Amino acid sequence: GENVEQHPSTLSVQEGDSAVIKCTYSDSASNYFPWYKQELGKRPQLIIDIRSNVGEKKDQRIAVTLNKTAKHFSLHITETQPEDSAVYFCAAMGGGNQFYFGTGTSLTVIP
Amino acid sequence: DAGVTQSPTHLIKTRGQQVTLRCSPISGHKSVSWYQQVLGQGPQFIFQYYEKEERGRGNFPDRFSARQFPNYSSELNVNALLLGDSALYLCASSLAQGGYQPQHFGDGTRLSIL
Repeated sequence: GENVEQHPSTLSVQEGDSAVIKCTYSDSASNYFPWYKQELGKRPQLIIDIRSNVGEKKDQRIAVTLNKTAKHFSLHITETQPEDSAVYFCAAMGGGNQFYFGTGTSLTVIP
Repeated sequence: DAGVTQSPTHLIKTRGQQVTLRCSPISGHKSVSWYQQVLGQGPQFIFQYYEKEERGRGNFPDRFSARQFPNYSSELNVNALLLGDSALYLCASSLAQGGYQPQHFGDGTRLSIL
């Protein structure tokens, strides 16, 4: 089955700086890669996603890049704000239409 | 429109008991998936149902079972509860199965086993 690895596990940045979270996957059949933000005690919220036929996607301060050859994808958050503090999960949809999640990155934005 | 709703929000059981968790998908969504999220980890896939049929199963023992009803709501059943079953159980719905179908999560059921 699919194996998704996510790094780093914790990340602290100063407000206004950029944050980058990286994930790798193992199943070359995976073709859809969403990112979720989960605040403490709340549901995971979809923040951005990318399909395997696209290399980059941007939505305001958030962008995702995908390198299919290397089997890795990354989340980029620019101009970070305190409300960006949360746990972020990457995921990959494998060949069996199942979602496999990374272990999460706890992002802290320091005012 | 209401999002994915799950009930109950919290549940306390003892070892050996059985539990049923419920999920109502977003209106119009026909696919429901169940996940187990242990504290500090990412959600682990348990089941996916689409059009009332099981379409995927994760690496969980047979003590875990689920079903989907004609109105697309779903139940997750866990028998012979173990301490290790303590977790947040998340339900997610999507319009259909496969393809580029984003999943939308409910708030989860927090299950504690004593």
